[in-house]
Amino acid sequence: SQQGEEDPQALSIQEGENATMNCSYKTSINNLQWYRQNSGRGLVHLILIRSNEREKHSGRLRVTLDTSKKSSSLLITASRAADTASYFCATDAGRSQGNLIFGKGTKLSVKP
Amino acid sequence: DTGVSQDPRHKITKRGQNVTFRCDPISEHNRLYWYRQTLGQGPEFLTYFQNEAQLEKSRLLSDRFSAERPKGSFSTLEIQRTEQGDSAMYLCASSLTVREPQHFGDGTRLSIL
Repeated sequence: SQQGEEDPQALSIQEGENATMNCSYKTSINNLQWYRQNSGRGLVHLILIRSNEREKHSGRLRVTLDTSKKSSSLLITASRAADTASYFCATDAGRSQGNLIFGKGTKLSVKP
Repeated sequence: DTGVSQDPRHKITKRGQNVTFRCDPISEHNRLYWYRQTLGQGPEFLTYFQNEAQLEKSRLLSDRFSAERPKGSFSTLEIQRTEQGDSAMYLCASSLTVREPQHFGDGTRLSIL
């Protein structure tokens, strides 16, 4: 079963604009991760945010986590055509085994 | 390149045949995971290993599926008597510890005719 729900399902923006994707989840978590997937390829890890953290930055990426609302957001600033991909959030559902539960993803299209 | 590698990248087979996929994790990673991804969906967990021990299996992993990780290095996923519903991308990931990010391979895309 899917744990996370990304919103929107699809997002189309112009190069240079910011892109915001949201993720909601159902259970308690130890951490939440964001991944990117280019068409036909595997997933690339972007950011891991732990349950006691509220915000994390990595280059043009900013992730926030609100455990009271069971939600997270991923902001990509100054988007580029190369950012075109599907973005997934994944949680461990509070378990210690480490297997991730993914949402359905947001398909981002950045037009040059 | 010392990332996770999977072989083959694509596999086309007839219904009822057996198929086997291989995953080579990042060398120092002792945790290895298998996921399945269908079109338009996120990956779904199948099973994972810590070293050579298979510690958890999803309900998605029917009796026709078996995974091994001999000597705690590479892993194989075998599907016996394939069915149409087995068509998917099979992804392998590895991590150093349970708290560290998982690194994914590019997957094996299975198509059942």
